[in-house]
Amino acid sequence: DTAVSQTPKYLVTQMGNDKSIKCEQNLGHDTMYWYKQDSKKFLKIMFSYNNKELIINETVPNRFSPKSPDKAHLNLHINSLELGDSAVYFCASSQVRESEQYFGPGTRLTVT
Amino acid sequence: DQQVKQNSPSLSVQEGRISILNCDYTNSMFDYFLWYKKYPAEGPTFLISISSIKDKNEDGRFTVFLNKSAKHLSLHIVPSQPGDSAVYFCAASRGLTGNQFYFGTGTSLTVIP
Repeated sequence: DTAVSQTPKYLVTQMGNDKSIKCEQNLGHDTMYWYKQDSKKFLKIMFSYNNKELIINETVPNRFSPKSPDKAHLNLHINSLELGDSAVYFCASSQVRESEQYFGPGTRLTVT
Repeated sequence: DQQVKQNSPSLSVQEGRISILNCDYTNSMFDYFLWYKKYPAEGPTFLISISSIKDKNEDGRFTVFLNKSAKHLSLHIVPSQPGDSAVYFCAASRGLTGNQFYFGTGTSLTVIP
């Protein structure tokens, strides 16, 4: 009965490839997020999304795109992967945009 | 530009003693603050929050203090237990007008039995 789940847990791929990370929440939350935790452990928001609005952090390259097939899912697509994309990516959800977030276990992406 | 800072990357405390984790922020518009706890290979877990209209919020062994004039908050854990050993992140947002949570880089707490 995992609240926020992500797949895969580990992803190793080569530069230039396109990959996706899936996220699902069964909490009935309205808002979902993607975060990137880099090698310095800095946890930075990439996107927040509810059924009305997608908010994009302007520092995120447009190679990254969130896709939400329904309220319970927010997948992350990454095109033309680069070495600097290597990080741990966390999905999260919250009841409303301003409340505390529930995080998934993370996906460790390694680009070689 | 890191708007939330946790200047102590690590902290060791004896079991039963108080653990104090500190967090500083630069944006005076922040009005909602949270602490998260993270175990290895897991996502952060919400621990406790505080709104800027308060200066203290308590939940069991965990108390968060907010000093708005100093732009500083702290998390007190009393008494500390070995199971509290984890990385603690503080986060801040502009509440109802904001949509972003800004996280610190975390403090790794080790509680020594």
